Amino acid sequence: ELKVEQNPLFLSMQEGKNYTIYCNYSTTSDRLYWYRQDPGKSLESLFVLLSNGAVKQEGRLMASLDTKARLSTLHITAAVHDLSATYFCAVGYPGTYKYIFGTGTRLKVLA
Amino acid sequence: DAMVIQNPRYQVTQFGKPVTLSCSQTLNHNVMYWYQQKSSQAPKLLFHYYDKDFNNEADTPDNFQSRRPNTSFCFLDIRSPGLGDAAMYLCATSRTTGVPLEETQYFGPGTRLLVL
Repeated sequence: ELKVEQNPLFLSMQEGKNYTIYCNYSTTSDRLYWYRQDPGKSLESLFVLLSNGAVKQEGRLMASLDTKARLSTLHITAAVHDLSATYFCAVGYPGTYKYIFGTGTRLKVLA
Repeated sequence: DAMVIQNPRYQVTQFGKPVTLSCSQTLNHNVMYWYQQKSSQAPKLLFHYYDKDFNNEADTPDNFQSRRPNTSFCFLDIRSPGLGDAAMYLCATSRTTGVPLEETQYFGPGTRLLVL
């Protein structure tokens, strides 16, 4: 059974600081996604990572994938208030078109 | 613009009164998903359709049913809603091309269900 864990669950940080969110998964997968969710809203796709060593960057967010360690990271550089949201990783279930979501990380950036 | 549409955006129902949520898509994607998301939790997959093939998750209660009459539409039926079924229900679509980069899920805006 595929299990996906994120840490931390909650993250409160000052503007301008850097931090990393971690996503661990239990079985091999060929795809990993990062999503952002604002309160009361749906999910917004941020990144798709497909291969070992993949790195994607958009603005102050950078995602990477280590398939050998079954680990993905979402790095936040010089955080700003607008990044406050909940971030989810989702891992493709091998051999299917199902996706299992991580527990989510609720990020609050303090001015 | 091609998109995933959910109706209604907010639904209030009474305990035990059947309710249907709808999802439509203009993306012509062959896979459609229903997720349940409770407050401060991750989305939980209830079931998905791969073309016409229905795939139910083992832990999805029998109270939840789904219909997909054609490629564009998918419905979630809750036969006897309980208080514990209050949640955001998210519909998503994807297409199968054999190229993982092209198989991203697209989410609708969600329907928030309140059970009184």
